[in-house]
Amino acid sequence: GQQLNQSPQSMFIQEGEDVSMNCTSSSIFNTWLWYKQDPGEGPVLLIALYKAGELTSNGRLTAQFGITRKDSFLNISASIPSDVGIYFCAGHLYGGSQGNLIFGKGTKLSVKP
Amino acid sequence: ETGVTQSPTHLIKTRGQQVTLRCSSQSGHNTVSWYQQALGQGPQFIFQYYREEENGRGNFPPRFSGLQFPNYSSELNVNALELDDSALYLCASSPGTVRGTGELFFGEGSRLTVL
Repeated sequence: GQQLNQSPQSMFIQEGEDVSMNCTSSSIFNTWLWYKQDPGEGPVLLIALYKAGELTSNGRLTAQFGITRKDSFLNISASIPSDVGIYFCAGHLYGGSQGNLIFGKGTKLSVKP
Repeated sequence: ETGVTQSPTHLIKTRGQQVTLRCSSQSGHNTVSWYQQALGQGPQFIFQYYREEENGRGNFPPRFSGLQFPNYSSELNVNALELDDSALYLCASSPGTVRGTGELFFGEGSRLTVL
């Protein structure tokens, strides 16, 4: 089945540093999304991307939908302690039911104050 | 606006038993999806319900079944529990519009342990 390769698996950074993580797929997606999950919580949507090449920002977060439709990246600028958590990329295949997303395994972010 | 709520939050079952998990969708959302999240993994799509019918299913056996009610709330039923069914079960709702595909609102999940 389809798989998403998300990297890195984990990151330990200093507060104030910028963060970059990415996701690649063997399949073409028509939508890429980035979610964040805190301990004991469900994932929360950060950014949704609908067009190849699209670059979208949400505060300190910036994400891009790759031109090939097989990849996406997420950048976080000037990290703060509340950025700690697990970040998941997710893709939606054309023709799939609306809620049918394929998730990566996540990037665990730790921030040292 | 009430978010997605799930119950119970934690439960322990033994192999072979059956379990029912419940979900209330966010106000105004008519579509509910269920996901299984094993420890250290990303969520995996089980199935989706729209207008009280299943309209999409992931790679899960038939012993995983569900229901959606007229008020859009939903249940996930798992029969003949196996040890590998131990996981966090997430319910997510969405407004059912074409624009916004994939924009899911998740509950906090039900943590199932099978002994």
